[in-house]
Amino acid sequence: EAQVTQNPRYLITVTGKKLTVTCSQNMNHEYMSWYRQDPGLGLRQIYYSMNVEVTDKGDVPEGYKVSRKEKRNFPLILESPSPNQTSLYFCASGIFRDNEAFFGQGTRLTVV
Amino acid sequence: SQQGEEDPQALSIQEGENATMNCSYKTSINNLQWYRQNSGRGLVHLILIRSNEREKHSGRLRVTLDTSKKSSSLLITASRAADTASYFCATPGGYQKVTFGTGTKLQVIP
Repeated sequence: EAQVTQNPRYLITVTGKKLTVTCSQNMNHEYMSWYRQDPGLGLRQIYYSMNVEVTDKGDVPEGYKVSRKEKRNFPLILESPSPNQTSLYFCASGIFRDNEAFFGQGTRLTVV
Repeated sequence: SQQGEEDPQALSIQEGENATMNCSYKTSINNLQWYRQNSGRGLVHLILIRSNEREKHSGRLRVTLDTSKKSSSLLITASRAADTASYFCATPGGYQKVTFGTGTKLQVIP
């Protein structure tokens, strides 16, 4: 079954404590991306990756890092989380240009 | 700036009625996609319409695309309570760039 798996689903953390949200896909997609969703703002792209070791900034990359060492994994790293990063995060896999994208179930992050 | 803008922001209808939501975009596109999101969960792909298509059907869904007006509409016929969700259009403007609108929140009342 085609799947994008994010972990954790829920996370409450304190300001400044580094955290990683993992994302894994089983469809051998080259393209993966991260979004955050905030009320009234829709989904905004944070980072994307077009292949292993190839990543680039989306619309709101400040405060985030990513890595793509393997094709299936695309973790999102918050080195020093701040309360304005409290949001619902989604990982997506697949090339929007040609086909549908597949989304993970989301990670609800709260930074206090 | 937002590429896709859905309209209306919220829609409430009775079960059995049709629901229509619209999406406007600003730049040229390769395709336009519609996604559904149940409350707080991941987006699920509904339908993709390519720039050279004007209309597409999938079950109870009908999508139209007017590239001259840079707009698309999604029609859900004979709505069901299970259709209650938020609906987003997505417009891939380039190879890696894709923008989502803010969505239409649909409530179908049983």
